[in-house]
Amino acid sequence: GAVVSQHPSWVICKSGTSVKIECRSLDFQATTMFWYRQFPKQSLMLMATSNEGSKATYEQGVEKDKFLINHASLTLSTLTVTSAHPEDSSFYICSARDAGALSSSYEQYFGPGTRLTVT
Amino acid sequence: DQQVKQNSPSLSVQEGRISILNCDYTNSMFDYFLWYKKYPAEGPTFLISISSIKDKNEDGRFTVFLNKSAKHLSLHIVPSQPGDSAVYFCAASRGKLIFGQGTELSVKP
Repeated sequence: GAVVSQHPSWVICKSGTSVKIECRSLDFQATTMFWYRQFPKQSLMLMATSNEGSKATYEQGVEKDKFLINHASLTLSTLTVTSAHPEDSSFYICSARDAGALSSSYEQYFGPGTRLTVT
Repeated sequence: DQQVKQNSPSLSVQEGRISILNCDYTNSMFDYFLWYKKYPAEGPTFLISISSIKDKNEDGRFTVFLNKSAKHLSLHIVPSQPGDSAVYFCAASRGKLIFGQGTELSVKP
């Protein structure tokens, strides 16, 4: 099956620093990747849709200057949390859509997530 | 505006019995509905899906029912096993996935 990896799996950083999270599709090419965040006991909230070679589309209420997304290749998207603060502490999950799938395909393959703690 | 809702935060079931997880939605334009299983500190894993033009889809112990008139779907797991204990999310698709809040299922031996 399709595998998506994330790195790091967990990270602790100091307030004011930036953190980069990588999302890779290991055995397929992904023209579209999605970034979600999940607070404890809550739903997965879509933050942004990342398309290879173009700017990401951010959901309402998500600061694009704070959460920088780069999708430079068909197998890698990165999320950089800039000037992180304690309220950014969360579980960040990426997913990828297979470029070889039908354009109408709804299937997304999820990464294992990254736990970010900002102190 | 919560377009996908799972009103039961938790469910406890005896091993061997049926587990029924429910999900309601508000947007009639959703074209696919999916169920995911998730463990803490892990990404969701896909379980089963159903197209909006169907009313039932079955895969082994898992069956999803869709009632479009009521904007309601349910996931039936039978027989339930202790290994099924996890958080279950329903999601609706219209290009992007909208998730419900999740239901924590506990299957007791």
